[in-house]
Amino acid sequence: ETGVTQSPTHLIKTRGQQVTLRCSSQSGHNTVSWYQQALGQGPQFIFQYYREEENGRGNFPPRFSGLQFPNYSSELNVNALELDDSALYLCASSLKQGPDTQYFGPGTRLTVL
Amino acid sequence: EDKVVQSPLSLVVHEGDTVTLNCSYEVTNFRSLLWYKQEKKAPTFLFMLTSSGIEKKSGRLSSILDKKELFSILNITATQTGDSAVYLCAVIIQGAQKLVFGQGTRLTINP
Repeated sequence: ETGVTQSPTHLIKTRGQQVTLRCSSQSGHNTVSWYQQALGQGPQFIFQYYREEENGRGNFPPRFSGLQFPNYSSELNVNALELDDSALYLCASSLKQGPDTQYFGPGTRLTVL
Repeated sequence: EDKVVQSPLSLVVHEGDTVTLNCSYEVTNFRSLLWYKQEKKAPTFLFMLTSSGIEKKSGRLSSILDKKELFSILNITATQTGDSAVYLCAVIIQGAQKLVFGQGTRLTINP
């Protein structure tokens, strides 16, 4: 157990809808990263948050947005859902000035119909 | 573009066998390489490697990095059915904290 929690566990949405996924980071960690993992693929970096600011972004459109709160928890928002957004969404917490190891939560399985 | 490639993509062996999983990378400014095991959902951390030639070991698992040839291997000896999982390799680039993942190796251990 890493101490990183995510909610909800599963979610089913329809095309065009919006979704919010949540992540609580491990105690003492100040950085949260979000990844999208399609079936049979490795995780792809979406973005990272540090001190409530976006600190790096992968190749994802602006309809993927996020927030980090003062307690270092984080949200991932996806607008105008598309079928290809169906995936496992993983959040990972780490320490900005610490070792490179990122600790992952259990993920949210999003299905877009 | 930064790239991490794992091989094989899939491997089926019998309990007790030894397996070697491969990870090669082409990145702009390497900082460290990490191995994760993913059974159902959350990837769980196995090893972090930053220096060439220094083996990291944990029980039956071991890993080594070759920064000259740009690859790493993960060895599992005396495999057990509980080792069945997807093994992910990821690289961190200098100046960025994002992990660049390979596509993973699906390992199946048959009794």
